[in-house]
Amino acid sequence: DIQMTQSPSSVSASVGDRVTITCRASLDISRWLAWFQQKPGKAPQLLIYAASSLQSGVPSRFSGSGSGTDFTLTISSLQPEDFATYYCQQANSFPRTFGPGTKVDIK
Amino acid sequence: EVQLVESGGGLVKPGGSLRLSCAASGFAFSLYTMNWVRQAPGKGLEWVASIGTAYIYYADSVKGRFTISRDSAQNSVYLQMDSLRADDTAIYYCVREGVGTTTYFLDYWGQGVLITVSS
Repeated sequence: DIQMTQSPSSVSASVGDRVTITCRASLDISRWLAWFQQKPGKAPQLLIYAASSLQSGVPSRFSGSGSGTDFTLTISSLQPEDFATYYCQQANSFPRTFGPGTKVDIK
Repeated sequence: EVQLVESGGGLVKPGGSLRLSCAASGFAFSLYTMNWVRQAPGKGLEWVASIGTAYIYYADSVKGRFTISRDSAQNSVYLQMDSLRADDTAIYYCVREGVGTTTYFLDYWGQGVLITVSS
């Protein structure tokens, strides 16, 4: 199974800050990576697919990069509605696996 | 508008069974792979099972106990859960995989249904 790790596990940031979250896969997954945002009590929402493609309706302050084993999610200017938990997930093979999540909270 | 509505959750005793349903609308259901993903209270996301047009996959943690199925006439996907254990307690999400540029990616999620396994 492909193991997914994320860092940091949590980050405290202010509105307007640039936030970067890193995801690492235990094997080469090419660009088969997605990023999800989850707010408390809500279902996750797809933000980024294929490592860097922005899902329809997602603000352009979100961006993704990387390939192979190392990936990054960047929020260029944090907005109040962005405080949430973010998960990466590999879609390269079964079983599908998620990272443990990164919680972005208010500084 | 894509909608995924789960039902069938509740409280069940260890060793018991439960069947989850997910009613899909707003898209050509038969063309899409469907998934179940779960989240234990306060924990992260765990993929449970996928059913495509020609394949079915399960997580090792549920293999042999859970069965995913679909009915294209009803635009529904199901998860039969047998031999339930306390560590199956979670919110279960019905999730669609995209097609085209989002093939293999989980693009729409239901609101989730809570399963509690406890005596």
